[in-house]
Amino acid sequence: GAGVSQTPSNKVTEKGKYVELRCDPISGHTALYWYRQSLGQGPEFLIYFQGTGAADDSGLPNDRFFAVRPEGSVSTLKIQRTERGDSAVYLCASSPSGRTYTGELFFGEGSRLTVL
Amino acid sequence: QKEVEQDPGPLSVPEGAIVSLNCTYSNSAFQYFMWYRQYSRKGPELLMYTYSSGNKEDGRFTAQVDKSSKYISLFIRDSQPSDSATYLCAMSPYSWGKLQFGAGTQVVVTP
Repeated sequence: GAGVSQTPSNKVTEKGKYVELRCDPISGHTALYWYRQSLGQGPEFLIYFQGTGAADDSGLPNDRFFAVRPEGSVSTLKIQRTERGDSAVYLCASSPSGRTYTGELFFGEGSRLTVL
Repeated sequence: QKEVEQDPGPLSVPEGAIVSLNCTYSNSAFQYFMWYRQYSRKGPELLMYTYSSGNKEDGRFTAQVDKSSKYISLFIRDSQPSDSATYLCAMSPYSWGKLQFGAGTQVVVTP
């Protein structure tokens, strides 16, 4: 498809386990974002990639969270030693470039993470 | 206190009515303002984008920004049942996508 693709759509794991969430952005989009949305809240910024590098990771809550984008396309959000408080929908978004800004982020449908 | 405040609703209106939504914010550095619509179990999609103060109209949607009052609004005219969704305000001081979202207002348009 032409949109942002996220897998898995749902993930149930146990406390303490390791989780990887994948994002495949729109082809040609150089900017990629991860947001986290808890129930009843708006999305919360986690990290921003421009190309392969993390331009801003100030939203990552602690060192259990890590994200990579090794070839400037697909990105993986990695969560170690998951906690029940990590349960949320993890949204990925992409945009064409950082230069001409129209406010538009193209969001995927999210990966719903449940930590038991 | 959150930087962006938005009434969560739900806001229920009859079909054809005007929907009025708003957000207040505290950070005077915000200069990019957006409204996103989010359907259940879907990602947000951009409705309106405004840079700095002023009004912007697009079809049935009008966005207003009053930076002096730190207040933004979205109006939806001739509302339809398909407008039933959560509406998120978002804003940023940056010319890129590190956005601060409100909590979202759930809107229900009844036929």
